Amino acid sequence: GAGVSQSPRYKVAKRGQDVALRCDPISGHVSLFWYQQALGQGPEFLTYFQNEAQLDKSGLPSDRFFAERPEGSVSTLKIQRTQQEDSAVYLCASSKSRTGYSQETQYFGPGTRLLVL
Amino acid sequence: ELKVEQNPLFLSMQEGKNYTIYCNYSTTSDRLYWYRQDPGKSLESLFVLLSNGAVKQEGRLMASLDTKARLSTLHITAAVHDLSATYFCAAAPRWNSGGSNYKLTFGKGTLLTVNP
Repeated sequence: GAGVSQSPRYKVAKRGQDVALRCDPISGHVSLFWYQQALGQGPEFLTYFQNEAQLDKSGLPSDRFFAERPEGSVSTLKIQRTQQEDSAVYLCASSKSRTGYSQETQYFGPGTRLLVL
Repeated sequence: ELKVEQNPLFLSMQEGKNYTIYCNYSTTSDRLYWYRQDPGKSLESLFVLLSNGAVKQEGRLMASLDTKARLSTLHITAAVHDLSATYFCAAAPRWNSGGSNYKLTFGKGTLLTVNP
């Protein structure tokens, strides 16, 4: 079956530009997560959605980062006025149920590699 | 705050040899995951370990969990070139520990290279 998909796969932005990264989770998955993976590091949590509700945005690095999932399926991570330190791979993951009460695996997408010049 | 440490960070192995990757975590955890990542690819789930003493095996890989020691291991038996990848462990806080138990904390990863 189809896994988590993300687009674009690669994005080059000039410093100060706004970018939008898209995530299509596995159909029917309730929980959706965004992670940031810097070069040579493990993924770091950014934000968590349960259906359309953003329950945790504690990992977002600054108020330039904004995520939404308006209909409880596709999610968009937006970064305003990009800075060079935003360069990283942005990973989206989804899981089947309400992760707080289950032990479901998070399934990851291929990521969007963002380079800010 | 949950912290996860993996070692070694770099591992160069000869084909046919055995080795173990270690994953220590700092506070009580509900579950421990192992993921594999190939260059430029996403993370592929390998194992989920849910209880003390849990052991899971798939092919040449075997993962175990000791919750008392807060330690998980990934053992590689008779390594082959196809196992070359970066391996991550990740832990989540226990659901009743007051932490956000959906939030996975990852180690830095172990870059495994299997040489002929």
